Amino acid sequence: DAKTTQPNSMESNEEEPVHLPCNHSTISGTDYIHWYRQLPSQGPEYVIHGLTSNVNNRMASLAIAEDRKSSTLILHRATLRDAAVYYCILRDEITGNQFYFGTGTSLTVIP
Amino acid sequence: NAGVTQTPKFRVLKTGQSMTLLCAQDMNHEYMYWYRQDPGMGLRLIHYSVGEGTTAKGEVPDGYNVSRLKKQNFLLGLESAAPSQTSVYFCASSYSASGGDEQFFGPGTRLTVL
Repeated sequence: DAKTTQPNSMESNEEEPVHLPCNHSTISGTDYIHWYRQLPSQGPEYVIHGLTSNVNNRMASLAIAEDRKSSTLILHRATLRDAAVYYCILRDEITGNQFYFGTGTSLTVIP
Repeated sequence: NAGVTQTPKFRVLKTGQSMTLLCAQDMNHEYMYWYRQDPGMGLRLIHYSVGEGTTAKGEVPDGYNVSRLKKQNFLLGLESAAPSQTSVYFCASSYSASGGDEQFFGPGTRLTVL
């Protein structure tokens, strides 16, 4: 059950900011918004998560719309190592075992 | 601190053969998960465990069995492998099932069933 919608692919120039969008119009009040990325031939790795407020960490920023029906992952300066598939996932606070990955956004970084 | 490790990294089976994939974590996590990823697709949950001695079905459990005899290990078994089970298998663990907790993933096992 895909709860999120993301573009299949995006491109960015190296050292420029990247905004990766995600729509989750059926989000419930107890759903956290998680972002993971998967580099080629590796397992997914955690990027960031949030509930209602915008979040920043060393990897990225997460901007959450006021109605929570969409969010944007922001990579401030894309590097070649950021080329990966980025997954936007909703994780319920109460029953967080069901982690639906969807197909994600494949990010290409152009040197 | 190795995190989540998976054994083996690669395996080729013939149809009807059986095998067990091993996942181990050294973070004292309660929750462990097995996913499969088919080409061009996202990960799908096969089975999960909420603690030692417990298992539960995920989205695509048919054809697989699991066991969690020790807290740090989660085994995924294929009793009679089929070509449709050709996939990359990922194990993950988390401290809890809270929505705010992250999952830590292993490097994957690439399985081919001929």
